[in-house]
Amino acid sequence: DTGVSQDPRHKITKRGQNVTFRCDPISEHNRLYWYRQTLGQGPEFLTYFQNEAQLEKSRLLSDRFSAERPKGSFSTLEIQRTEQGDSAMYLCASSDPDSVSGANVLTFGAGSRLTVL
Amino acid sequence: AQKVTQAQTEISVVEKEDVTLDCVYETRDTTYYLFWYKQPPSGELVFLIRRNSFDEQNEISGRYSWNFQKSTSSFNFTITASQVVDSAVYFCALSGYKLSFGAGTTVTVRA
Repeated sequence: DTGVSQDPRHKITKRGQNVTFRCDPISEHNRLYWYRQTLGQGPEFLTYFQNEAQLEKSRLLSDRFSAERPKGSFSTLEIQRTEQGDSAMYLCASSDPDSVSGANVLTFGAGSRLTVL
Repeated sequence: AQKVTQAQTEISVVEKEDVTLDCVYETRDTTYYLFWYKQPPSGELVFLIRRNSFDEQNEISGRYSWNFQKSTSSFNFTITASQVVDSAVYFCALSGYKLSFGAGTTVTVRA
């Protein structure tokens, strides 16, 4: 297994355009997470899936953001009508659920860097 | 609400010096987990260590060691005999099912 893969690694777009990021988790992991990281800050939680079910969405995830995980495999994160404030690194992570809540070790991908002009 | 504070923004050391990273956390949970992740220039966050709130025993793993003190809500991390490859941003994080990260400490190890 090659770990968590994210595509594209870099995306430059004009304000108002739609963008979509893809994440392929580690195959045996049934939990998948999206985080956003801005310059000089730690990652911030956006949403997570257990299999195909989206179990939580952060208040950071406005109506312009949508995430899906069809069939519980790869996931996509779409941002509609991008704004300059959306410029950030979008990180995907996956984990095997630990029997103890909160003990999950997340394996992160290298991220997709979005620049909105 | 959970909160993680890493007061040190940047640390610069010469190779072979020890580096200690501070982390202070806030949580109302009685059971929780603390983590340290490393983010090298390539961008991929790499898991380093995990500690649960029931075990305050401090440990050493290779050149890494950590000091967990529940009484002061601190979870400090030390790199012994630093190397240039240790240069990265280090994040402290707090569970539950989603991680709350600190702002990170940039460590630069000079040859």
